[in-house]
Amino acid sequence: DQQVKQNSPSLSVQEGRISILNCDYTNSMFDYFLWYKKYPAEGPTFLISISSIKDKNEDGRFTVFLNKSAKHLSLHIVPSQPGDSAVYFCAASASSGTYKYIFGTGTRLKVLA
Amino acid sequence: EAQVTQNPRYLITVTGKKLTVTCSQNMNHEYMSWYRQDPGLGLRQIYYSMNVEVTDKGDVPEGYKVSRKEKRNFPLILESPSPNQTSLYFCASAMGYQETQYFGPGTRLLVL
Repeated sequence: DQQVKQNSPSLSVQEGRISILNCDYTNSMFDYFLWYKKYPAEGPTFLISISSIKDKNEDGRFTVFLNKSAKHLSLHIVPSQPGDSAVYFCAASASSGTYKYIFGTGTRLKVLA
Repeated sequence: EAQVTQNPRYLITVTGKKLTVTCSQNMNHEYMSWYRQDPGLGLRQIYYSMNVEVTDKGDVPEGYKVSRKEKRNFPLILESPSPNQTSLYFCASAMGYQETQYFGPGTRLLVL
């Protein structure tokens, strides 16, 4: 049972436009969410996070939105740049219980110049 | 330079031959973790460690062992590798749980 789902395996966006990557989760105990970016032949790198006490967090061109009632989060990249082309993973964790992370399957973003 | 290192980066082995993948971090992090990445399955956590001598199972621990005898090192042990453990493995570390995780460069393992 996939507790964290990224239903779009890939996404193509024109340079300068907005990229929206989506992530859904099923476990209501999750209270901390992260996005990681991964280039080929490298390890994932942290991008942005959000706690369940917030519904939005911004860092430069990257904004993460959290809709707890829908169990949905999204990552907005504005404006998209060719260097943003990578695989993006969302991840979720719960502050009570175990200390595990559950990752989604990833979305491959291609930003077209 | 703050980093997580993994060795080896590439490994080809045969079924049943015990192997160890090392992971080391120089950031004095308490939380360390191992993941595997497989096509269509994303990243899945194998084991994690909250601190020295404290380890616990992630989502896919079968066939793996870990140890945390020192804070900086967190080796992943495959006592009897099988072909279904062919994968790309990542080690990660963080100051604590729900802190930013820093990932190593990955170890690509092929089990024949």
